[in-house]
Amino acid sequence: NAGVTQTPKFRVLKTGQSMTLLCAQDMNHEYMYWYRQDPGMGLRLIHYSVGEGTTAKGEVPDGYNVSRLKKQNFLLGLESAAPSQTSVYFCASSSLGVSGNTIYFGEGSWLTVV
Amino acid sequence: GIQVEQSPPDLILQEGANSTLRCNFSDSVNNLQWFHQNPWGQLINLFYIPSGTKQNGRLSATTVATERYSLLYISSSQTTDSGVYFCAVGVSGTASKLTFGTGTRLQVTL
Repeated sequence: NAGVTQTPKFRVLKTGQSMTLLCAQDMNHEYMYWYRQDPGMGLRLIHYSVGEGTTAKGEVPDGYNVSRLKKQNFLLGLESAAPSQTSVYFCASSSLGVSGNTIYFGEGSWLTVV
Repeated sequence: GIQVEQSPPDLILQEGANSTLRCNFSDSVNNLQWFHQNPWGQLINLFYIPSGTKQNGRLSATTVATERYSLLYISSSQTTDSGVYFCAVGVSGTASKLTFGTGTRLQVTL
């Protein structure tokens, strides 16, 4: 079972460049999330989606945009990358919302902005 | 927002030892999960436990929601238990997102 798949796994960007991280899940989950993890810290929620065509801001949304055009995909975009966005990005999905259900994570995407 | 504190921040054990990790949270929650992040960065869900006690092999967890804490017990630790353990909580009225603690880094040595 693939579960939650993120691409790319590694990327180096120059300041000001743009890129998109793709997350795909094959569990028919309604809810999807993008988190970032910085050294020595827990995960912080960037954006999330409660269903196809919906998105909402999380704890640290500035500098990121998202789209959920298909139920199985959740895209995270950086329009103009900054060094502060160097981080490990995790996508996750769950059914019926995090309240009351298990959340499954992808393997992470390591992004470096130079 | 809700605050999640985990203790201890770091823990070194010899293989075979037992340990208890603690998670305190500042508000009522309707969701609490424990995760293990292995040295390769992969996050694995260990328990969904907003209240009560659960066991899975050498691991068990207890959440006392009324006192706002949860405990993760690791018995007979193995080197493969090394990594970072995160507690994450969901708050009533804010379904669809979790707030993570900063984790407990566990190193199990031979």
